[in-house]
Amino acid sequence: GENVEQHPSTLSVQEGDSAVIKCTYSDSASNYFPWYKQELGKGPQLIIDIRSNVGEKKDQRIAVTLNKTAKHFSLHITETQPEDSAVYFCAASTTNAGKSTFGDGTTLTVKP
Amino acid sequence: DSGVTQTPKHLITATGQRVTLRCSPRSGDLSVYWYQQSLDQGLQFLIHYYNGEERAKGNILERFSAQQFPDLHSELNLSSLELGDSALYFCASSVKAALTGELFFGEGSRLTVL
Repeated sequence: GENVEQHPSTLSVQEGDSAVIKCTYSDSASNYFPWYKQELGKGPQLIIDIRSNVGEKKDQRIAVTLNKTAKHFSLHITETQPEDSAVYFCAASTTNAGKSTFGDGTTLTVKP
Repeated sequence: DSGVTQTPKHLITATGQRVTLRCSPRSGDLSVYWYQQSLDQGLQFLIHYYNGEERAKGNILERFSAQQFPDLHSELNLSSLELGDSALYFCASSVKAALTGELFFGEGSRLTVL
């Protein structure tokens, strides 16, 4: 089955700096790659996603890049703010699969 | 608010007991997914139901079972509980059977087994 590895497990940055979280996946059939943000005491919430026919996608300060050949994708957050502090999860799935496989999460701390 | 409702939010019970966690999906969503999140762990997929039928199974223990009812709400039953079952259990819903888009997560049910 699919295996998703996520790095780093913890990341601390100064406010205004950029943060990058990387994930690799094993199943070459995977074609949908969402990123979720989980704030303390809440359920995960989708922040951005990318499909296999696209190499990069941006939404304001957040961007995701996908390298299908290398089977890795990354989340980039620019101009970080304290409210970006949370646990971030990457995931991978195939269109017809009944599940998403999640990485183990990255705890991002943005210091004011 | 994702629109997914999970009850109870917190549950404390003893080893050997049985509990039922309940999930109401977003209005119109036919798929319900259950995930387990242990301390410092990622989200482990347990099971997926679509319109009342089981569609996919993950590493769900035989002591655990789930079902989705005609009104689309779902229940996760955990029996013969062990200390290691203590975790946050999330329900998520989506519109379609295939995972082609966003999962909407509830706020979770925190189970503590003493």
